[in-house]
Amino acid sequence: DPKIIQKPKYLVAVTGSEKILICEQYLGHNAMYWYRQSAKKPLEFMFSYSYQKLMDNQTASSRFQPQSSKKNHLDLQITALKPDDSATYFCASSQRTGGSQDTQYFGPGTRLLVL
Amino acid sequence: GQGVEQPDNLMSVEGTFARVNCTYSTSGFNGLSWYQQREGHAPVFLSYVVLDGLKDSGHFSTFLSRSNGYSYLLLTELQIKDSASYLCAVRMPNYNVLYFGSGTKLTVEP
Repeated sequence: DPKIIQKPKYLVAVTGSEKILICEQYLGHNAMYWYRQSAKKPLEFMFSYSYQKLMDNQTASSRFQPQSSKKNHLDLQITALKPDDSATYFCASSQRTGGSQDTQYFGPGTRLLVL
Repeated sequence: GQGVEQPDNLMSVEGTFARVNCTYSTSGFNGLSWYQQREGHAPVFLSYVVLDGLKDSGHFSTFLSRSNGYSYLLLTELQIKDSASYLCAVRMPNYNVLYFGSGTKLTVEP
């Protein structure tokens, strides 16, 4: 059974619209993250959450807003979508954020295409 | 910015070995992780190193030199199925943030 679930797997949106990417983890982890992977670019860190609190945000745009309704959920709301937002968005989780051995495990990703 | 560099491509032959290099220049360092990523799939964790030297984990081994900002992933007894992209990522001290290289696409030929 998958331990990190991301929904939907594929998403097509029009410019200017708003979408929510869903992430749930069943690893019992306390920390969750969002990364973005655009074509031909490295995986890029976006947000880090620990116990449902924002720990680090390296996304310049306020159009990206994480939402954590439960400890094992970290959704990503994206507003005013632009074609440049097209990418695969990966959710990840780890036991904690502060330990040297806290491996991050990645979900399957949501592939977003903005037309 | 945070610099993590990897060669784009690497080719090797089945049954031999491949060494995937990674150099980094970052404002902090709390270890380095290696991931395997197949096209259209999520990165899969392979190894984490924080101490200098070689860490032998069988099919995958990793080396780290912190003074030189250098690591490599060594794959031995290559199989065709080892063809994939290999990503290195520097773990930062702040909140476990990972800075990834662009990945090395390894092609294993018969």
